[in-house]
Amino acid sequence: QVQLVESGGGVVQPGRSLRLSCAASGFTFSGCGMQWVRQAPGKGLEWLTVISYDGSVKYYAGSVKGRFTISRDNSKNTLYLQMNSLRAEDTAVYYCAKDAAPSNSYHYYYMDVWGKGTTVTVSS
Amino acid sequence: DIVMTQSPDSLAVSLGERATINCKSSQSVLYSYDNKNYLAWYQQKPGQPPKLLIYWASTRESGVPDRFSGSGSGTDFTLTISSLQAEDVAVYYCQQYYIAPFTFGPGTKVDIK
Repeated sequence: QVQLVESGGGVVQPGRSLRLSCAASGFTFSGCGMQWVRQAPGKGLEWLTVISYDGSVKYYAGSVKGRFTISRDNSKNTLYLQMNSLRAEDTAVYYCAKDAAPSNSYHYYYMDVWGKGTTVTVSS
Repeated sequence: DIVMTQSPDSLAVSLGERATINCKSSQSVLYSYDNKNYLAWYQQKPGQPPKLLIYWASTRESGVPDRFSGSGSGTDFTLTISSLQAEDVAVYYCQQYYIAPFTFGPGTKVDIK
C-alpha cells in the first residue's frame, strides 16, 4: 500500500542542524512531487516546501527559506528536509506528503497521502 | 502570499445536524486556464496526520462519506457536513494550492453539542 514514513526527528539545540527523511513505498516515487508540512504543538498546519518529481524545482515558505533545504533521492525512494540554524519556533511535528499532480509534471496540487510525522524539538 | 482565513474558529453541532465551515482566500484561487479552484479541505483528528477530504473545492476524495461536501469559487468556499457523526469530531483546514507558498487556513474545530 501507499506509505510514507518520516524519521530523523529528535531534540536539538538552537542553532544546530537536523536532517529529516521520508521513505516512500507503494507508488512511483520518482514521478511525484513531494511536500513537507509542519505543525507546532497545539497549532495549525504550516506548509513548508515542495519539490518537483525530478528535484529541479523547489518552493519554500518564507519562514524557512534560506535555512531549510528540500531534496530527494529517487534511487532510494526517499525525500529529505535539511534544517539548519534551528530555532525554538521550529519545534513541531513534521509531515511529508505526496503531491497529487500528474506524474512527471511541474504542477503542484493537493496532498493525497501523508506520513504519520516525526517530532522535532529545538531546545537548549 | 495568499492568506487563508476560516470561520468560525470552532463550532459545536448536535449529532445528525449540519455543520458549515467557511474559508476565504485573500485573492482568487480560480485558475482561468482550466476553470478550476485550487482549494482543498483536510480533516485532522487528534494525534493523527491530516486526511484529504475535498480537492478542486468540491471533488470528494475516494472513500470520503458523501455527507461531506465542498462548494464555492474564487475567494469564498464552504465545507459542509450534512449530518454530523461522532467520528467527524476533528479540526478542518482549507488550503490553497494555486500559488506557492501553498498556505493553509488556521483551522476550524468541530465538536459535538
